[in-house]
Amino acid sequence: EAQVTQNPRYLITVTGKKLTVTCSQNMNHEYMSWYRQDPGLGLRQIYYSMNVEVTDKGDVPEGYKVSRKEKRNFPLILESPSPNQTSLYFCATKTEGDYTGVGELFFGEGSRLTVL
Amino acid sequence: AQTVTQSQPEMSVQEAETVTLSCTYDTSESDYYLFWYKQPPSRQMILVIRQEAYKQQNATENRFSVNFQKAAKSFSLKISDSQLGDAAMYFCAYSTRYNFNKFYFGSGTKLNVKP
Repeated sequence: EAQVTQNPRYLITVTGKKLTVTCSQNMNHEYMSWYRQDPGLGLRQIYYSMNVEVTDKGDVPEGYKVSRKEKRNFPLILESPSPNQTSLYFCATKTEGDYTGVGELFFGEGSRLTVL
Repeated sequence: AQTVTQSQPEMSVQEAETVTLSCTYDTSESDYYLFWYKQPPSRQMILVIRQEAYKQQNATENRFSVNFQKAAKSFSLKISDSQLGDAAMYFCAYSTRYNFNKFYFGSGTKLNVKP
């Protein structure tokens, strides 16, 4: 079954304590990305990766790091979490799409993060 | 900058009735794609329907159809014969062939379905 798996699904942490949210996919998609969802703001892109060792900033990258050492994994790292990073986080992959390159996003089940 | 606007934070519909969710977008590009995603209480984001800007025909997927007005930059979702399982947050999204690594989402519309 095609899946995007995120862990943990729920996490409560304290300000400044480094944490990593893992994301793994079994669809062999080259593209992976991270979004955060906040009420009234919808989903906003944090980082994306076109392939192994290729990452780029999205619209809200401040306070986050990513790495792409393997095709299937794309972890999101919060080096020093702050309360304004309390949010629902989604990892997504994307199909290759048609000649335009615009594919469809496949999402993980989300990770609810609370920073106290 | 590309923006996607959903002006209805919440809507309600009676079971078996029809409801239309609105979405407008702002872009200067001519070749782009529009999407509607559904997020039920389980939080899983599910693609409902997709529309290519170069296609004049409105996309349809079973009970879901869109009204795509390119000149007005409007992309509404119509749900016919609403079912209890349609209750969810619905997000409109946009991407473009010139920057297909980025997707822009609206703020969402919460749809309630009354039995």
